[in-house]
Amino acid sequence: GENVEQHPSTLSVQEGDSAVIKCTYSDSASNYFPWYKQELGKGPQLIIDIRSNVGEKKDQRIAVTLNKTAKHFSLHITETQPEDSAVYFCAASIGIKAAGNKLTFGGGTRVLVKP
Amino acid sequence: GAGVSQSPRYKVAKRGQDVALRCDPISGHVSLFWYQQALGQGPEFLTYFQNEAQLDKSGLPSDRFFAERPEGSVSTLKIQRTQQEDSAVYLCASSDRLAGNNEQFFGPGTRLTVL
Repeated sequence: GENVEQHPSTLSVQEGDSAVIKCTYSDSASNYFPWYKQELGKGPQLIIDIRSNVGEKKDQRIAVTLNKTAKHFSLHITETQPEDSAVYFCAASIGIKAAGNKLTFGGGTRVLVKP
Repeated sequence: GAGVSQSPRYKVAKRGQDVALRCDPISGHVSLFWYQQALGQGPEFLTYFQNEAQLDKSGLPSDRFFAERPEGSVSTLKIQRTQQEDSAVYLCASSDRLAGNNEQFFGPGTRLTVL
């Protein structure tokens, strides 16, 4: 089955700096790659996603890149703010209609933005 | 509108007890997923429903785990004869795949502690 590796496990940045989180996946059939933010005591919340027919996607301070050949994708957060502090998860899925798009998650990155 | 809700939010069980965890998905969402999230790790897929049909239960760790969604809306995850290794946060997610959208909306989770 699919395996997703995520690095680093913890990331501490100064407010205003950029943060980059990297993930690799194993199954070349994966075609959907969401990123989730999870705050303490809450469920994961989607912040951005990318599909395999797109190489890059941006939404304000957040961007995601995908390299299908190398089977890796990255999350970039620019101009970090204290409210960006949370645990971030990457995930991958194969969108098979009959089976649903179950997500395989990475191990998570705890991001701390220091004021 | 209302998001995914789960109850109870916290559950403490003695080893050997049975527990039932409830998920109320977003109204009209066809797809419903259960995930298990151990402390400090990413969520792991347990099972998937499309309406009332359980199409994938490959992630259920043992036959002590059982899930149902009899009317295609509310779902219940039942764990029989709980063990300490069952301690985790159980997350429910729903999505509207008929709209062609892969996004999964997560509930806040139920934190299960088995003593």
